[in-house]
Order: sequence, then structure tokens, then C-alpha cells
Amino acid sequence: NAGVMQNPRHLVRRRGQEARLRCSPMKGHSHVYWYRQLPEEGLKFMVYLQKENIIDESGMPKERFSAEFPKEGPSILRIQQVVRGDSAAYFCASSPIPVSGNTIYFGEGSWLTVV
Amino acid sequence: GNSVTQMEGPVTLSEEAFLTINCTYTATGYPSLFWYVQYPGEGLQLLLKATKADDKGSNKGFEATYRKETTSFHLEKGSVQVSDSAVYFCALEPTGANSKLTFGKGITLSVRP
Repeated sequence: NAGVMQNPRHLVRRRGQEARLRCSPMKGHSHVYWYRQLPEEGLKFMVYLQKENIIDESGMPKERFSAEFPKEGPSILRIQQVVRGDSAAYFCASSPIPVSGNTIYFGEGSWLTVV
Repeated sequence: GNSVTQMEGPVTLSEEAFLTINCTYTATGYPSLFWYVQYPGEGLQLLLKATKADDKGSNKGFEATYRKETTSFHLEKGSVQVSDSAVYFCALEPTGANSKLTFGKGITLSVRP
């Protein structure tokens, strides 16, 4: 059973460009979460999605960031007009039915560097 | 709000030393508590968890006990190995939050031979 797959693993973008990060959940998981890890910080929740639905986006910056999880294909985290402060590791996680105490499974992360 | 506080790092130990990494939390109700480990260049892996007070999570020689009275979930290992060198994150899932985790800042552990 393949784990959570993220790509690209490393992405370099110039300021003002767009970054697209992709996440394929574990087989059988229909719930996806995105977290951001800034340097020297813990992970911060960004958004929780089910297929075709955003359930909780309370951690998403108000501008330039968007996320989707279409009926077919991976979940996408999109960052428009990137700035240096967007440089971070972005982790995707997935779970089956989210029940308190359930384990969620993280991907290996996508490291975004904005130059 | 919910928060997790981890002891300041980094921590450097010799192989076979005893390890304690402190973690305290603030949350209403009865959160679930987790320890995740991140090896260099990799994603997070669940190390252990506890879902109710007085539960003890254990894995790979690591242990942590959910202490409601002290709101703590300290991680311990009796004898660390070089391969345990990693970043360790304490996290909580508030009651009913359905996998929306709040993480501590993490602490880097280096074990020297």
C-alpha cells in the first residue's frame, strides 16, 4: 500500500511566480490535510479537504493561497505570486474517516524555495 | 486556544544515555496526544500516541504517558542510539477536531557514538 505521495520534493520559484504542489493520498483515504513548516517552527495546519470539498481552511493565508481536491486526481496546493516568506516545507497528510485519535499519515513533504 | 510547548533544544546525548523530552499542552476537553519523528530530509512519521488520560503510548523503545493532571506527555527512552537522531514533535488533536493537529516547535536530538 503506497504511502502519501507528494511532488515535487523540491521546487525553486522566483518571486512573483506560481507554485503548485501535488499530493496523492494513501489508497482508500478520502481526507487530505495540508500543513506548512517554516524554518525552525513546528507544522501549522493550513487546510482540510475531502473530495471536491474544502472542509476547513482556517489556516490558509487569505490571499494567494488556494487548495483543491478534485474528484479525480491529486490534491493541489497552489500559491500565486510567491514571496520569499513562502519558502517552507509543505506537508500533505491523509486519513480514512477522520475520527478523534486516528492516525493521519504524512507524505515526505515538498520543499519550496523562493529566490 | 490550543497549544503545545516543547522544551528548548537542541539536545545532544551520548549513545545509550537516557532521554527525556518534555511536552506540555493547553487544550479544553480531552485531546489526543501524539509524538511524531522527522528524520533528516524526510516527512513526519507517527512515533506513538495516547488518546485518553493515563494511557501510555510506546514504540521502538520510546514511551510517553498522558498525564491529565499535569497536562503533559513527556517522551522517554531508556537507551538512545545514533539512529534516533532526528527532530521530535509533540502534537495534540483537540476533542472533535478530526485529525486537525496542533504541533509544538519540535526539538532536535543528536546522539553521538
